[in-house]
Amino acid sequence: DGGITQSPKYLFRKEGQNVTLSCEQNLNHDAMYWYRQDPGQGLRLIYYSQIVNDFQKGDIAEGYSVSREKKESFPLTVTSAQKNPTAFYLCASSILGMGEQYFGPGTRLTVT
Amino acid sequence: KNEVEQSPQNLTAQEGEFITINCSYSVGISALHWLQQHPGGGIVSLFMLSSGKKKHGRLIATINIQEKHSSLHITASHPRDSAVYICAVRSLTGGGADGLTFGKGTHLIIQP
Repeated sequence: DGGITQSPKYLFRKEGQNVTLSCEQNLNHDAMYWYRQDPGQGLRLIYYSQIVNDFQKGDIAEGYSVSREKKESFPLTVTSAQKNPTAFYLCASSILGMGEQYFGPGTRLTVT
Repeated sequence: KNEVEQSPQNLTAQEGEFITINCSYSVGISALHWLQQHPGGGIVSLFMLSSGKKKHGRLIATINIQEKHSSLHITASHPRDSAVYICAVRSLTGGGADGLTFGKGTHLIIQP
């Protein structure tokens, strides 16, 4: 079955540690996205990529980094520079960045 | 930047009732998405529309481009429809980094 997988579902880290969230898709989509969701707020775009080895900052990129070495994979690293990293993180993909977006199940990150 | 407003924020109804969720936006768009987020966090795309009306099972989505307004209707509501419904728009001018701006969501509870 085609889809997007994110792992792990729950992640706990100590403050000051970097952590990498995984996102893999087998939909052959060119575009991939990372969003952050906080209670009572709409999804906010962190980074997106429309082609391998290229990515662009979204609205809230500070404290995050990404890579796109393979079409199928778009990992997100939450660095210690992110001031408030506890949130629900969603990965999505779409055809050519303009179509319907397909979402992964999300990773809930808690930093204490 | 496009402003996306959803109403109501919370809605509790009895099984079988006809449900309407509204979405309004401030700037012209190329497409509007309706998404469903289940309690576990996963998001499913329900509709993507740029004009008129779409129907899928008991769900109907309409959009009025001139009035910058869209509605999501659920007929014969059922407890399994309980979820957060999110409206997202792709601005003509590319408001966000990839032009997709999300509403805060409508939390729907259908009681048996």
